[in-house]
Amino acid sequence: DTAVSQTPKYLVTQMGNDKSIKCEQNLGHDTMYWYKQDSKKFLKIMFSYNNKELIINETVPNRFSPKSPDKAHLNLHINSLELGDSAVYFCASSQEPDNYGYTFGSGTRLTVV
Amino acid sequence: AQTVTQSQPEMSVQEAETVTLSCTYDTSESNYYLFWYKQPPSRQMILVIRQEAYKQQNATENRFSVNFQKAAKSFSLKISDSQLGDTAMYFCAFMNPYVNDMRFGAGTRLTVKP
Repeated sequence: DTAVSQTPKYLVTQMGNDKSIKCEQNLGHDTMYWYKQDSKKFLKIMFSYNNKELIINETVPNRFSPKSPDKAHLNLHINSLELGDSAVYFCASSQEPDNYGYTFGSGTRLTVV
Repeated sequence: AQTVTQSQPEMSVQEAETVTLSCTYDTSESNYYLFWYKQPPSRQMILVIRQEAYKQQNATENRFSVNFQKAAKSFSLKISDSQLGDTAMYFCAFMNPYVNDMRFGAGTRLTVKP
């Protein structure tokens, strides 16, 4: 039974399109995150949500919009996709205040052509 | 802002031998958490080991152990009896519990050779 699941695992789309990545966790965690891993494997936090409330919003183009309908779900919508958006996007979750680390989903590889 | 530095982009080790991956970090906080994550070719991020800054004792998980030097802001990972399945990217990470955002180093690609 997958703890943090992301869909789709792979996404190939054309420049200018709008796409969404979905994330769900069944761990009962309060906080969820989106990370971007670029072609050099560098991981950078994009957003975090605590109980449906946006907590962290790093310097990310406003074409990226997270949406959290409930604390078990955090979706990422991307408008007007650009070539530079090609990356692997990871969803993660954690339970405060345990600080036992984040549980990551398996990632979504987004390729913009 | 906290920064995490992994100075070894790539390393290799023979099967059954021991290897140490380096990590340094910069922070003005006294309370924080440090982690090592493993990312095999499958892409999954797997938590290897965790260290609380206020604990002096080094964390250990089976073949994985850390050398945590708080004054030097150093957090190295030692893998003993290396196995082929240890081949992966290894990421060091820092977390400020008051902000709860985990920051990663650039990673070290480890190859275990038969």
